[in-house]
Amino acid sequence: NAGVTQTPKFRILKIGQSMTLQCTQDMNHNYMYWYRQDPGMGLKLIYYSVGAGITDKGEVPNGYNVSRSTTEDFPLRLELAAPSQTSVYFCASSSGLAEHYNEQFFGPGTRLTVL
Amino acid sequence: GEDVEQSLFLSVREGDSSVINCTYTDSSSTYLYWYKQEPGAGLQLLTYIFSNMDMKQDQRLTVLLNKKDKHLSLRIADTQTGDSAIYFCAEADYNTDKLIFGTGTRLQVFP
Repeated sequence: NAGVTQTPKFRILKIGQSMTLQCTQDMNHNYMYWYRQDPGMGLKLIYYSVGAGITDKGEVPNGYNVSRSTTEDFPLRLELAAPSQTSVYFCASSSGLAEHYNEQFFGPGTRLTVL
Repeated sequence: GEDVEQSLFLSVREGDSSVINCTYTDSSSTYLYWYKQEPGAGLQLLTYIFSNMDMKQDQRLTVLLNKKDKHLSLRIADTQTGDSAIYFCAEADYNTDKLIFGTGTRLQVFP
């Protein structure tokens, strides 16, 4: 199993550009999450999904959109990039089953810089 | 709202014990977690404790939970240079199962 994979690893955007961060998991997990990690800070939840076709806002959703058309994929879209979106983005997944104590499996991250 | 707090840095000598502390606010959390983040990598679950437990031991790791004070700690015995990383405390929101992360404690182990 590859686990959770994210692409790209790094990206530099100009203000106002758009891009999609890709996330794929091969563990057949129902739950998927997008976090951002700013320097010296913990992770903040952007969006999450409890299954295909279902998404919901997290703590910091403004400026982002998501979709979940399949169990495996959970892309994150930035429509009009702003410097405040410079961060490291992590995708994670979990089974959603109580017996797995909600362990979340993380991807390696995408480092995004907006100039 | 929920808030999880940790000290930012800890520096220990190789072979000593490390104790990383965390305070949380949501008394109804079901699980509390310790995640480890190595440089340039994502987070990896290190250990967890169910909220009705006081202590959990797993090889070099000991987790202590004081529910009255809402205090969680992670003790690493015989700390090694490979333990140098950022350690995040997290609690699971009772209603949504979403994780609330602390700011992370950077552990530096020197020879």
